Formats: sequence, C-alpha cells, structure tokens
Amino acid sequence: AQSVTQLDSQVPVFEEAPVELRCNYSSSVSVYLFWYVQYPNQGLQLLLKYLSGSTLVKGINGFEAEFNKSQTSFHLRKPSVHISDTAEYFCAVRATNFGNEKLTFGTGTRLTIIP
Amino acid sequence: DTEVTQTPKHLVMGMTNKKSLKCEQHMGHRAMYWYKQKAKKPPELMFVYSYEKLSINESVPSRFSPECPNSSLLNLHLHALQPEDSALYLCASSQVPGGGTYEQYFGPGTRLTVT
Repeated sequence: AQSVTQLDSQVPVFEEAPVELRCNYSSSVSVYLFWYVQYPNQGLQLLLKYLSGSTLVKGINGFEAEFNKSQTSFHLRKPSVHISDTAEYFCAVRATNFGNEKLTFGTGTRLTIIP
Repeated sequence: DTEVTQTPKHLVMGMTNKKSLKCEQHMGHRAMYWYKQKAKKPPELMFVYSYEKLSINESVPSRFSPECPNSSLLNLHLHALQPEDSALYLCASSQVPGGGTYEQYFGPGTRLTVT
C-alpha cells in the first residue's frame, strides 16, 4: 500500500514570490508521482508527473517538481506565483505494477496568493 | 480532445428520490473511475471500470450503483441517499487500466446535495 503526506494544509504567499509545496510518500514498491491542481468548484487538472528518468520534471503554468528517492519526496515549486495560482494542490502516487489502478492522494495544500 | 464531461453540474435530491449521474469521454480510454470528494478533503475512490467491467468497488454502500454501458460512458445511479452523501462526485478516465504510465483525466464534477 502507498501513503502520501502533505504536511502543509495551507500556504499563504505574496504575489510574485516563490513557493514550495511539500509532498512525501511511503511505498514498498516503485511508484509514479503526480501533482494535481483543483481550482474552486472545478475538477482536478494534472500539473505534472514523474514516471522515470530525470528527477526534475516541468509542468504546466510554470510549475516544476523534483523527485528525491532517498528522501521519498516530490516537492512542487514555482519561482514566481500569480493570483491565478490560488487553488488546492494534491500530490498523488500510484504503484507502477500492472493491474494497480488506484491513485492515492495526499490531503491537499491550499495555496493562497496575497496581492 | 482531452475532456471528460459530467452531467448534471448540480443536483439536489431528496432521500427518497432516484437519480443518475453521467460521465462521458471520447479519448478512447478503457478505464473509468468514480470518486467522492467532501469539502476540503482529497477525492476518495469509489469504483473502477476496466474494459467496461467493474474491477474495483471500495466497499461503497449499495445505494450507489455504477454502470458502464459502453467504453465512453459511465453512470452512477443513486437511490435512497443520506444527507452525508452530499459531496462533489468526480469522474475520471485513463488510457490503460493498471499498467502503463497514463494519468487520470478528471471531469468537472457533479455537486450533489441530499435534503
């Protein structure tokens, strides 16, 4: 089984400042890692994913994340945030083995951008 | 076209009503999912269909009845719901059930209120 920990439930950041949203995971098998964003009253949109290869992955809207296997982390970063980045951010993992469709989500981090 | 559509957007129903939620995708995906999301919580998996067959039921009460009439369509039939079933119901799809590296694409959700 897998588990995901997002320690920060809320992160307030001033506009144009950098931000890091933390995600740690636990799994006995290898996993794929995802970050999803949910804007108010909407579904989830994939920001980026780590499947294999380079540990630094770039996503949409200027976000990037770095996979650190030794620390079992997949933190999300953006160098300069905008008001439009205000949303809920979910880190998720899925085992890589065939036949496992289940996506395990963290509890989410609410990012609030302060003008 | 990477869109998952859901209807209706909002639904208010009484505890004795019968209603259905509908989800559609035309991406050729062969796995489809129902999630329930309560306010300020991550999505919780309810059901998974793989190649139009129910592959995962996360011990969901029988008042929720899923149906997958074809590879593009997923329904969730609701009957005798309780007020605590009020939530955002999200549908998702992915290209290959289980294996592969394919992320889940989410619809915008149906906001359900049970009175």
